[in-house]
Amino acid sequence: DVKVTQSSRYLVKRTGEKVFLECVQDMDHENMFWYRQDPGLGLRLIYFSYDVKMKEKGDIPEGYSVSREKKERFSLILESASTNQTSMYLCASEGDGGKRGANVLTFGAGSRLTVL
Amino acid sequence: QKEVEQNSGPLSVPEGAIASLNCTYSDRGSQSFFWYRQYSGKSPELIMSIYSNGDKEDGRFTAQLNKASQYVSLLIRDSQPSDSATYLCAVDTGRRALTFGSGTRLQVQP
Repeated sequence: DVKVTQSSRYLVKRTGEKVFLECVQDMDHENMFWYRQDPGLGLRLIYFSYDVKMKEKGDIPEGYSVSREKKERFSLILESASTNQTSMYLCASEGDGGKRGANVLTFGAGSRLTVL
Repeated sequence: QKEVEQNSGPLSVPEGAIASLNCTYSDRGSQSFFWYRQYSGKSPELIMSIYSNGDKEDGRFTAQLNKASQYVSLLIRDSQPSDSATYLCAVDTGRRALTFGSGTRLQVQP
């Protein structure tokens, strides 16, 4: 099974701090994604990457940047954290799901970030 | 208008009943449709995908797609308390990333 590991399960940061959220997948997938999940708003796409050093903006990229230096690792960076970035952050990797179909997302356990 | 819309619920059904979850989408060019299940405190996991009009069955789950009406649904037969979760509809609009609805919370009453 694909494993997607997010480095931090819970983080508490102060306004203005730089925050790194790390995500690693072990199945050599090309496509990786960062979503944030907020009550009533569902999952919203922040950034995605379809290859090393490639990135594309999602629906809510403001205040975030990403880095993909190696295929297995996709990092989300909050340059200067703000309270409205308090959220659950979910990383996902995309690959062939076999009989479940192509382009299946496997999510990490999530990183719950609180910005004070 | 949201790209993918779902009723937030909660949808409450008795054990053994059929649960019907609905989703509409705005991009007529969308080609691929997915249902993810998310238990409280856990990450979403894929339960069904559907790509062409009609029904697709997998065990107790049936996904239904009507592209003309821009409508996709998920039926859960013989609902069990373990099916209680939030169900997320996701659509591939062709931009290489899925767009998710906000989810419908299902409660199956024993």
